Amino acid sequence: AQSVTQPDIHITVSEGASLELRCNYSYGATPYLFWYVQSPGQGLQLLLKYFSGDTLVQGIKGFEAEFKRSQSSFNLRKPSVHWSDAAEYFCAVGASASKIIFGSGTRLSIRP
Amino acid sequence: GAVVSQHPSRVICKSGTSVKIECRSLDFQATTMFWYRQFPKQSLMLMATSNEGSKATYEQGVEKDKFLINHASLTLSTLTVTSAHPEDSSFYICSRLAGGGSTDTQYFGPGTRLTVL
Repeated sequence: AQSVTQPDIHITVSEGASLELRCNYSYGATPYLFWYVQSPGQGLQLLLKYFSGDTLVQGIKGFEAEFKRSQSSFNLRKPSVHWSDAAEYFCAVGASASKIIFGSGTRLSIRP
Repeated sequence: GAVVSQHPSRVICKSGTSVKIECRSLDFQATTMFWYRQFPKQSLMLMATSNEGSKATYEQGVEKDKFLINHASLTLSTLTVTSAHPEDSSFYICSRLAGGGSTDTQYFGPGTRLTVL
């Protein structure tokens, strides 16, 4: 069965520091992989996605993620976080964009 | 800008009443839209797939008579929570697939916070 695990419920990093949010999945084949960000009062916004090809994916707002098949991971990274990056981040996987399941989310707080 | 809107953004109702939530695709026609439910500090759970001109497809464990979905036009899907109870209080989010022939991404609405007293 498909599953997505985001092991970190809450992470706090200092502004300007680097960030890595972890995502592990269980899936029989290479899935569609997504990272979304949810801010209060706003809908989920797609940061980046991976279907095939280059395993290092560049997204919006300076985020990137790397698909590692051997580790069943799709971790999200940013070299230098900004206070505006504080939000909830969701990893999602699926056989297509129509049928995706979400991880439990990681709340990111930024320390001034 | 936003491509999916929801109305209302929040609603408070008494137990036993019905509440209708609208989801609109603002830029593309959407034959398929999705409804999710999100409990506090939890993930999104797909409730149903809304299909224009036909019946919605519900996920296992979702009561179709409780959560009525109507997709009467290519830009509007509605979710009606019938005879709402406090346990129905949640954040309801709709989405659609990207338009223009692309089906590889979902775009989400801002959500509707339902509180049942």
